[in-house]
Amino acid sequence: KAGVTQTPRYLIKTRGQQVTLSCSPISGHRSVSWYQQTPGQGLQFLFEYFSETQRNKGNFPGRFSGRQFSNSRSEMNVSTLELGDSALYLCASSLGAETEAFFGQGTRLTVV
Amino acid sequence: GENVEQHPSTLSVQEGDSAVIKCTYSDSASNYFPWYKQELGKGPQLIIDIRSNVGEKKDQRIAVTLNKTAKHFSLHITETQPEDSAVYFCAASWAGANNLFFGTGTRLTVIP
Repeated sequence: KAGVTQTPRYLIKTRGQQVTLSCSPISGHRSVSWYQQTPGQGLQFLFEYFSETQRNKGNFPGRFSGRQFSNSRSEMNVSTLELGDSALYLCASSLGAETEAFFGQGTRLTVV
Repeated sequence: GENVEQHPSTLSVQEGDSAVIKCTYSDSASNYFPWYKQELGKGPQLIIDIRSNVGEKKDQRIAVTLNKTAKHFSLHITETQPEDSAVYFCAASWAGANNLFFGTGTRLTVIP
């Protein structure tokens, strides 16, 4: 069974640009969550989607947005990139709230 | 929101010894407590989890204990091996596996 797949693995963007990251969950999983991991702030919850609807949202500015498609694949978008957005962005999928969440390997975003 | 504290931040043990990592949480509504292991260049991997209706759970060399009254939970690894070396994160959630609040991580080094 394939795990959670995130693309691309690495990304370098310039300040002010926007970026879209992709996450393909484990087959059958309908819930996808996104996290930001930085050395200073650790792992922080961004948002969660279930059946194409955003169910929970963390404390991030509106520049961070996401969506989920009917096949459960999810994308997150960051607009007007700032240097502080440099981080490892992780996606996790699960069958639902009562089951375990499995993480992908992440996309490392560097903003220069 | 939920605040999870994790100690120690670094831990070195001799191979074969036990390792204990402790976490406290603030939100009494939290009812799901997973532990993740993260190796360099990889996403977090779930190693064990516990829900609030259980006080202790064991899986081979790994055990987790939960004290809901005191709002703390701990990870115990017995007979440590070099391959246990990694960063370990505790997490807590009131919304199941899809909205996790993470501790700051413990870097465990097992010395052969």
